[in-house]
Amino acid sequence: EAAVTQSPRNKVAVTGGKVTLSCNQTNNHNNMYWYRQDTGHGLRLIHYSYGAGSTEKGDIPDGYKASRPSQENFSLILELATPSQTSVYFCASGEMGGAETLYFGSGTRLTVL
Amino acid sequence: SQLAEENSWALSVHEGESVTVNCSYKTSITALQWYRQKSGKGPAQLILIRSNEREKRNGRLRATLDTSSQSSSLSITATRCEDTAVYFCATDTNAYKVIFGKGTHLHVLP
Repeated sequence: EAAVTQSPRNKVAVTGGKVTLSCNQTNNHNNMYWYRQDTGHGLRLIHYSYGAGSTEKGDIPDGYKASRPSQENFSLILELATPSQTSVYFCASGEMGGAETLYFGSGTRLTVL
Repeated sequence: SQLAEENSWALSVHEGESVTVNCSYKTSITALQWYRQKSGKGPAQLILIRSNEREKRNGRLRATLDTSSQSSSLSITATRCEDTAVYFCATDTNAYKVIFGKGTHLHVLP
């Protein structure tokens, strides 16, 4: 079973502060993803990566940066957090391919005050 | 606009009944996936059905795919209280992005 670990599980940040959400996967998957989940919107793709050193914009990248320093780690960075970024964030990993199973972490609940 | 979208926001059934969740999508796909998300957890895949397949089963679950109408369905038979969850359809694109619908909240009542 694929293992994807997110940290922290909960985070409270102040408006204008910097927030880093971390994700680690132990299954040597090439692809990793960051989604946010909000009521009424489902899961929306923020950034994704094909492998170490690569990041690609998803459907809602504004206000977010991503970093993939290694095969195992994928971070989501909010340089200047805003209350509208209050959400639950999910990281996922998957094998290379056009039709792939995604394995999700347990999520990070972020509150920006 | 959503590339994939479930057709119902919420459904309720009683234990033992069958239920079907429908999904429509807007782009050509190589596969469509169904995920289930229980409260407080990340989504977990139930079924992946490829574009050259019409039906796929996994225990009490049955997924269909109609590429001509760009639609899919997920049927659950003999529902149980533990089937209460949010069900998502998701499609891949040629760019390897996986896009999710907004989800259908299924409540299975005792």
